[in-house]
Formats: sequence, C-alpha cells, structure tokens
Amino acid sequence: GENVEQHPSTLSVQEGDSAVIKCTYSDSASNYFPWYKQELGKRPQLIIDIRSNVGEKKDQRIAVTLNKTAKHFSLHITETQPEDSAVYFCAASKAGFQKLVFGTGTRLLVSP
Amino acid sequence: NAGVMQNPRHLVRRRGQEARLRCSPMKGHSHVYWYRQLPEEGLKFMVYLQKENIIDESGMPKERFSAEFPKEGPSILRIQQVVRGDSAAYFCASSPGQGAGNEQFFGPGTRLTVL
Repeated sequence: GENVEQHPSTLSVQEGDSAVIKCTYSDSASNYFPWYKQELGKRPQLIIDIRSNVGEKKDQRIAVTLNKTAKHFSLHITETQPEDSAVYFCAASKAGFQKLVFGTGTRLLVSP
Repeated sequence: NAGVMQNPRHLVRRRGQEARLRCSPMKGHSHVYWYRQLPEEGLKFMVYLQKENIIDESGMPKERFSAEFPKEGPSILRIQQVVRGDSAAYFCASSPGQGAGNEQFFGPGTRLTVL
C-alpha cells in the first residue's frame, strides 16, 4: 500500500525566513497531494493541494512543488510569521474518492 | 454553509463501555471518511462511507469497531468494549463527491479518553 514519508519532524526558523517541508510517496498511482495545518487541539485545515497534472502551485506565501518522477512533493512557506507555527501534514491519495495517507507531520516553530 | 460537525467533542468512557461518535458532513457532501490520531502522531485512515454504503474499511480493526452512514442522519463510528488503547482523537472528513475530486474537509474531532 501507499507509504508517505515526511521530513523534517521539527523545524525552527526565525520570523521572516523561509520554511521547506519535504514528502516522498511510494505509490506511483497517487495523483492528489494535499497539505494540512493543525494547531494544537484543533482540526487539520487544508491549506493547499496539488494534482499530478501540474508541477507547482502557489497561494500567496505558500507554494507546493511536485516531482512525479522522483515521487517527491514539498511545501514552501516564505516570509514566515509566528502564526505559521503549527504541525504540518502532507498526504497522498489515488484518483477518485480515496483515503488520504498522511505523513508523520512536521512541527514548525517560528520565533519572533 | 456550516462545516463538518462532530459530537461529542470530548468523551470519557471506562474500559468495557461503548463509545458512539457522530459526524455530520458539510451540506452537499455525500462522502465521509473517519481517521484516528494518537497523541503526537499523524492521522490514520479507518473507514470511508457513502450514504448507506461502506466503500473502504481497510483501516478499521475487524473487532469492536463499526461504522455506518444511514440515508438520514449523521455518520456513526461505534467502538464496543473500549480499551485504553482506543484513547485518541477521532476525526471525520467529508468530500463533495463530484467536481474537483478528493478535497477532504475535517471536523473538529472527538477526543476519546478511556479510563
């Protein structure tokens, strides 16, 4: 079955720096890759997603890149702010209405 | 448009009791997924349902766990004879079932504590 690995497990940056979180997936049939942000005690919130027919997608300070050949996808956050501090999860799923397979999460801490 | 609703938000049970968790999907969403999150861990898929049908239950333990999504009313995740290892946050997510595809939106979760 699908396996998603996520690195790093923790990431500390200074406010204004960029943060990059990387994921790899094992199943070449996966074609949908969302990213979720989860604050302590809260629900996971979808922040950006990408499908396998595109290589990059951007939304203000957040971007996601996808390398289908290498089965890698990454989340890039620019000009980080303290409110970006949270746990970020990547996920992968196959075509159609399929389960999401999640990475193990990255705890991002942005210091003022 | 109200988001995904779950209740109760917190549930305390003693070992051996039953836990019943409810999920109402977003309006217009016909696909429901249940995930479990252990403390300090990621989310693990349990079961995927459409109205009156279980589509994929590959992540749900064969014993003590069951799920349903009746024609009327919320989806229910039922855990019988709970054990301490069932303590976790249980999230449901819903998806529109058409259009862009598999975007899943999560509810606030039910935090189950087994004493």
